[in-house]
Amino acid sequence: SQTIHQWPATLVQPVGSPLSLECTVEGTSNPNLYWYRQAAGRGLQLLFYSVGIGQISSEVPQNLSASRPQDRQFILSSKKLLLSDSGFYLCAWSPSASSPLHFGNGTRLTVT
Amino acid sequence: TQLLEQSPQFLSIQEGENLTVYCNSSSVFSSLQWYRQEPGEGPVLLVTVVTGGEVKKLKRLTFQFGDARKDSSLHITAAQPGDTGLYLCAGDYSGNTGKLIFGQGTTLQVKP
Repeated sequence: SQTIHQWPATLVQPVGSPLSLECTVEGTSNPNLYWYRQAAGRGLQLLFYSVGIGQISSEVPQNLSASRPQDRQFILSSKKLLLSDSGFYLCAWSPSASSPLHFGNGTRLTVT
Repeated sequence: TQLLEQSPQFLSIQEGENLTVYCNSSSVFSSLQWYRQEPGEGPVLLVTVVTGGEVKKLKRLTFQFGDARKDSSLHITAAQPGDTGLYLCAGDYSGNTGKLIFGQGTTLQVKP
């Protein structure tokens, strides 16, 4: 069966520090991969999605970037964190564009 | 810009009561999904509706997709404390690209 792993679960980082969040999927190949951000108790905002290795689409201008160095690995990064980058970050995968999403358990990022 | 308006944002009811959550948009969606999320976890898919007028039932939950595929509702009959959580609707507006627009979510609390 397919599983998605996302880490770390929580992270506290100072303003101006770099960020690297990692997401990996097991049990499938060539998945569509997504990074979402969620405000507390609210809906999700799509940040990035990828349909293949090295193929990244950005949905909103921001201080973050994404990379897909391997088929089942998706990384969210920042060179210098801002206070406004705080939030709950969710990675998700789907077997195809028309399939529902399967989410990881998220990373709670607090920028201090 | 596509928007998905979800209402109500908060709902606190007693065990055994019925409730309905609405999801409305001015855009036509190729499909619409409902997710449920527990605190500190990622959303989990409940159902996908694709055809206008479609009704799907999942135990005490009834999901309906509007005839014009612009709106959807989730009805819970005889709510239980275990139904407590954040309910999210998400529409695929880009013709099965997997780029979902999420509603703002409905926080449901069912008191025993």
